[in-house]
Amino acid sequence: NAGVTQTPKFRVLKTGQSMTLLCAQDMNHEYMYWYRQDPGMGLRLIHYSVGEGTTAKGEVPDGYNVSRLKKQNFLLGLESAAPSQTSVYFCASSPWGSYNEQFFGPGTRLTVL
Amino acid sequence: AQSVSQHNHHVILSEAASLELGCNYSYGGTVNLFWYVQYPGQHLQLLLKYFSGDPLVKGIKGFEAEFIKSKFSFNLRKPSVQWSDTAEYFCAVNPGGTNAGKSTFGDGTTLTVKP
Repeated sequence: NAGVTQTPKFRVLKTGQSMTLLCAQDMNHEYMYWYRQDPGMGLRLIHYSVGEGTTAKGEVPDGYNVSRLKKQNFLLGLESAAPSQTSVYFCASSPWGSYNEQFFGPGTRLTVL
Repeated sequence: AQSVSQHNHHVILSEAASLELGCNYSYGGTVNLFWYVQYPGQHLQLLLKYFSGDPLVKGIKGFEAEFIKSKFSFNLRKPSVQWSDTAEYFCAVNPGGTNAGKSTFGDGTTLTVKP
């Protein structure tokens, strides 16, 4: 099992450019999450999904969109990147049920110039 | 809105010292509580979790945590730390019910263990 994988690992964008981060999991998990991690601020939830075809806003959703067309994939889109979106992005997945732990991907380091 | 507060941002200990990292949460409903660890250059991984039953839970590598409902706390402890425990530690809350999935993490505590 590959677990949770993220593509790409690194990316540099210019302000105003768009991009999509891909998260894939092969554990048949129902729930998937996107977080951003900034120094001293822990992980902040951007969007999450409790099943294929459903998404919901987390703590910091502005400037991001997501889609979960297939159960194993969760895409995070930035339509018009801003320097404030420079961060490390983590994807995670978990089985159904809030008592289950999350399994994290390796992260994507995004720099917006 | 739920929140998680970790009291210590950076803790420095010598090997064999005891560790306690504080975590308090704010949420009015059913919660499930987690501690995750991020070793340098690695993914976040689960240390331990609590969702019901015995409020004292044991995790990997000798860590344990105690859920005190009346204090809304879930503090992490280890009697004797090792150099290899150097990492960043995160407390997290997963609500139940209709908010299932809307996780909240604390800001993290960086632990440095001196050999």
